Amino acid sequence: DAGVIQSPRHEVTEMGQEVTLRCKPISGHNSLFWYRQTMMRGLELLIYFNNNVPIDDSGMPEDRFSAKMPNASFSTLKIQPSEPRDSAVYFCASSFLRPHEQYFGPGTRLTVT
Amino acid sequence: GQQLNQSPQSMFIQEGEDVSMNCTSSSIFNTWLWYKQDPGEGPVLLIALYKAGELTSNGRLTAQFGITRKDSFLNISASIPSDVGIYFCAGQRVRGSSNTGKLIFGQGTTLQVKP
Repeated sequence: DAGVIQSPRHEVTEMGQEVTLRCKPISGHNSLFWYRQTMMRGLELLIYFNNNVPIDDSGMPEDRFSAKMPNASFSTLKIQPSEPRDSAVYFCASSFLRPHEQYFGPGTRLTVT
Repeated sequence: GQQLNQSPQSMFIQEGEDVSMNCTSSSIFNTWLWYKQDPGEGPVLLIALYKAGELTSNGRLTAQFGITRKDSFLNISASIPSDVGIYFCAGQRVRGSSNTGKLIFGQGTTLQVKP
């Protein structure tokens, strides 16, 4: 079975541009999580969905960040406008019966110049 | 910010040696997990712990859920070069009876193994 799929793997953009990160969870999983990883702050949960519904977005840094899950097989994380401090690796993870047993994708490395 | 204190931050050991690392918190957790992250990849779940005092093994890895529910330990026996990576503890805090999957991660322990 394919694992969690994320695209793109790398994204370089200029400050002020819109960035959209994509995630396809493992088929059949009903929980999806977006994380951000930086050296300074480690791995932080941004938002998570259960059955396509956002449950907790308290980790979203500010209004420039938004996430959607239009169906069970696709989610997006959008940053608009992007800033250099958004540079990080963004991970998507999914889970099924036990929400805390999460399967991570390979991540998207975002660089905002 | 981070609520889990993971130590040590890094370790450089000889192949064949045993490794121990731990994670502590000022809060009670009802689930502890240990993940490993290889360079350029996402974290991979190694062991999940659900009860205070629980001791669980996965091959050469053994993890324990502390009795106080505020700490957890991971041991790796007879280390090999492929054990290299960053090891993260993660916990789910007690919050009513809900099991939301909302995890808090430690800062990680970077392990290097010298052949």
